[in-house]
Amino acid sequence: EAGVAQSPRYKIIEKRQSVAFWCNPISGHATLYWYQQILGQGPKLLIQFQNNGVVDDSQLPKDRFSAERLKGVDSTLKIQPAKLEDSAVYLCASSPHRIKQAGDQQYFGPGTRLTVT
Amino acid sequence: AQTVTQSQPEMSVQEAETVTLSCTYDTSESDYYLFWYKQPPSRQMILVIRQEAYKQQNATENRFSVNFQKAAKSFSLKISDSQLGDAAMYFCAYRRGNYGGSQGNLIFGKGTKLSVKP
Repeated sequence: EAGVAQSPRYKIIEKRQSVAFWCNPISGHATLYWYQQILGQGPKLLIQFQNNGVVDDSQLPKDRFSAERLKGVDSTLKIQPAKLEDSAVYLCASSPHRIKQAGDQQYFGPGTRLTVT
Repeated sequence: AQTVTQSQPEMSVQEAETVTLSCTYDTSESDYYLFWYKQPPSRQMILVIRQEAYKQQNATENRFSVNFQKAAKSFSLKISDSQLGDAAMYFCAYRRGNYGGSQGNLIFGKGTKLSVKP
């Protein structure tokens, strides 16, 4: 089975520019996550989707970050305008949705490394 | 709020030897899951092992095993017969138990960088 796909792998932009990341989860996975991983830290959740609805976006900086999941499949994460502190790896993950299966693992994509100069 | 702490920023082990990575967590919940993820330089997070809090038996996966001490809120990872391919960042992670049919997000520690010497 194909894994979680992300693009691009690398992106360098100047501050105040905009950028978008794309994620294609594993086929049939209802839940999709975007994590931000700053250098030297563990990943931190930005937003969680269940099908095409938002479950948790409490840690998403909504003044500059936005995300959508069209038709409950692919997702895009956008930053506009970017700041220096947004330099990080952006990881997408997906998991199947099964009641009472919270132990189901999340499958991660290879991530996008963003550098803001 | 739940927190996960990994107190060892870096660890080193000789090939074929055994190493233990430490993790502690803080939660007031009784139903939760704990995970160890491996992140090689390719950045892709790979699940190493998982533990359900209601199970007393420690999880094992081939050369990887955990020491789960629920009362102490400790969840260490033991790697036996270390191999060069084990070199990576290792993250301990926590997830709440099932709630409302929706799976929660993972809360990660800061990670431990493991080096394996030939």
